[in-house]
Amino acid sequence: GAVVSQHPSWVICKSGTSVKIECRSLDFQATTMFWYRQFPKQSLMLMATSNEGSKATYEQGVEKDKFLINHASLTLSTLTVTSAHPEDSSFYICSARPYGGADNEKLFFGSGTQLSVL
Amino acid sequence: AQSVTQLGSHVSVSEGALVLLRCNYSSSVPPYLFWYVQYPNQGLQLLLKYTTGATLVKGINGFEAEFKKSETSFHLTKPSAHMSDAAEYFCAVSKIQGAQKLVFGQGTRLTINP
Repeated sequence: GAVVSQHPSWVICKSGTSVKIECRSLDFQATTMFWYRQFPKQSLMLMATSNEGSKATYEQGVEKDKFLINHASLTLSTLTVTSAHPEDSSFYICSARPYGGADNEKLFFGSGTQLSVL
Repeated sequence: AQSVTQLGSHVSVSEGALVLLRCNYSSSVPPYLFWYVQYPNQGLQLLLKYTTGATLVKGINGFEAEFKKSETSFHLTKPSAHMSDAAEYFCAVSKIQGAQKLVFGQGTRLTINP
């Protein structure tokens, strides 16, 4: 099946620094990727929808200048947490929607990135 | 707005016993419903989905779920639990076919006792 690689799987950073998380579709092209955030024992919350070659669409309450999303190619989307603070510590998950093909109605998820901001 | 409630953040059953994971949803339009499973250190995988048609949906690994509109429920079941079923399970709802913009429940961790 289709594979989505998310990197890094965990990262620790100092407050005030920026962290970049990558989401790659390894064996398919994805015109649309989604970024989610999950707090402990809570549900995945959609942060933004990333479309290749265009600006991301952010959900209400998500700061676009805080969470920069770039979808420069059909296989890569990146989420950069800028000037990270402890409250940004969370589990971030991406998903990718294949372009065309039999899997067009499915989403494929990365394994997530645990971000801890000290 | 849509929402999903999964009753029980942690469910524990014996191997061979019935698995029942509960999911109730709220939606102002006909929903599309999904169950995902997440094994340790892996991404979410689609177990099954309901869009239209037959309300009893069969998925992978012997799981099935029934859409009950009158109860706004989409509970996940498996007749006989296997040790390999231990994982985190997420129920999700969407109002747009194509599994876009999913709204997830908080997840239920399933533990299987030998």
